[in-house]
Amino acid sequence: GENVEQHPSTLSVQEGDSAVIKCTYSDSASNYFPWYKQELGKGPQLIIDIRSNVGEKKDQRIAVTLNKTAKHFSLHITETQPEDSAVYFCAASTSDDMRFGAGTRLTVKP
Amino acid sequence: DTGVSQDPRHKITKRGQNVTFRCDPISEHNRLYWYRQTLGQGPEFLTYFQNEAQLEKSRLLSDRFSAERPKGSFSTLEIQRTEQGDSAMYLCASSLGGLAGVDSEQFFGPGTRLTVL
Repeated sequence: GENVEQHPSTLSVQEGDSAVIKCTYSDSASNYFPWYKQELGKGPQLIIDIRSNVGEKKDQRIAVTLNKTAKHFSLHITETQPEDSAVYFCAASTSDDMRFGAGTRLTVKP
Repeated sequence: DTGVSQDPRHKITKRGQNVTFRCDPISEHNRLYWYRQTLGQGPEFLTYFQNEAQLEKSRLLSDRFSAERPKGSFSTLEIQRTEQGDSAMYLCASSLGGLAGVDSEQFFGPGTRLTVL
């Protein structure tokens, strides 16, 4: 089955700096890669996703890159703000199920 | 609020008791998913429904767990003879999808936090 590894587990940056979170997956059949943000006491919320036929996608300060050959994908947040502080999860999905990484706790210091 | 709702938000029970959780998806969504999340981990897939049909079940879903979606709208997840290891956040998500697969945006509810004493 699919196995998703996510790094780092914690990340602390200064406000205005960039943050990068990386994930690898094992199942070459995975074709959908969403990123979720989870705040305390809430369910995960989708922030950006990418499909296997695209190498990069950007939405304002957030971008995701996908390297299908190497089976890794990354989340880039630029100009970080304190409200970006949360736990971020990557996921990889086949037609049968979606597997999540263990999460990255991002702290943006003002 | 037109998002995914879950009830109750918190449940404390004694070992051996049965518990039932409810999920109300976004009304036009035909797919509904259940996940379990433990502290410091990502959500783990349990099962999902396409309308009222349960299409996929994880190995994590032991025979003490049962999920239903009788009319293709809300869903219930029941855990029988709860164990301390069942303590976790149980998340429900819904999506609008085609005939099969899970490759579309899932909208998550706030979760039900279960504590088994």
